Amino acid sequence: GAGVSQSPSNKVTEKGKDVELRCDPISGHTALYWYRQSLGQGLEFLIYFQGNSAPDKSGLPSDRFSAERTGGSVSTLTIQRTQQEDSAVYLCASSFTGGPPYNEQFFGPGTRLTVL
Amino acid sequence: AQSVAQPEDQVNVAEGNPLTVKCTYSVSGNPYLFWYVQYPNRGLQFLLKYITGDNLVKGSYGFEAEFNKSQTSFHLKKPSALVSDSALYFCAVRDDSNYQLIWGAGTKLIIKP
Repeated sequence: GAGVSQSPSNKVTEKGKDVELRCDPISGHTALYWYRQSLGQGLEFLIYFQGNSAPDKSGLPSDRFSAERTGGSVSTLTIQRTQQEDSAVYLCASSFTGGPPYNEQFFGPGTRLTVL
Repeated sequence: AQSVAQPEDQVNVAEGNPLTVKCTYSVSGNPYLFWYVQYPNRGLQFLLKYITGDNLVKGSYGFEAEFNKSQTSFHLKKPSALVSDSALYFCAVRDDSNYQLIWGAGTKLIIKP
C-alpha cells in the first residue's frame, strides 16, 4: 500500500513568510509524529498526535510553530514568520498506534525547507 | 532519563569486510530498540527492531543486531559490507513508560570499494 507522503518536497521561502507543510500518513495509522532534521544531524522531535487525544507539543521550538491533524488523518505543520534557523528537513512519521511501544514508525520522504 | 548514544560519527569499512555500528542506551523499563537507515536525500527506512526473545535480531538488507542487556548495547552488524550500504544509520529506543522514540545522533557509514 501507499506509504507516508509529504508535500511539498522542497520549499524555498523568504524570512518572515509563513509556510505550511503537509503530511498524509499511512491509512489506519493512528499515531503521527513530526520531526526536524538539520543537515547531517539527528532527529529533533516536534509534535505527536495519537487518535483523538490532545497532541504532545513539547518539542515545538517556539510559538511560531503549530500543527493540526484533521479527521485523525492528514496533518499540517505551520511555521509562522519563518527565520533562517528554521531551514531543515521536516520529517513526518506514522505508526499503527502510539502503543504498544514496539510498533515501528514509517517515515515520509520529508520536506526540505530553505528560508532565505 | 532515557538516552541513546552512537559513539562514532563515522565508520569506514572496505567492501566485503564485516561492519559494526555501535549503539548503547539507557532506559528505566524494558527497552525496545530500533535501527533505521537514511540514504542520501531520502527519508528514514526501518531496518530492524528488538522487542523480546532472541538477542540476535535479523533485519532488512542482510543486517542484524545483537541485544546485550548487561552492556546495554544494540550494535548493528553485517558480515560483508556493500558499497550500497553507505548511508546514515540511526539507533532509537523507547520503553513501556514513554511512547516517544529517543534517537541517537546517527553514524555515517562509508563503504569503500
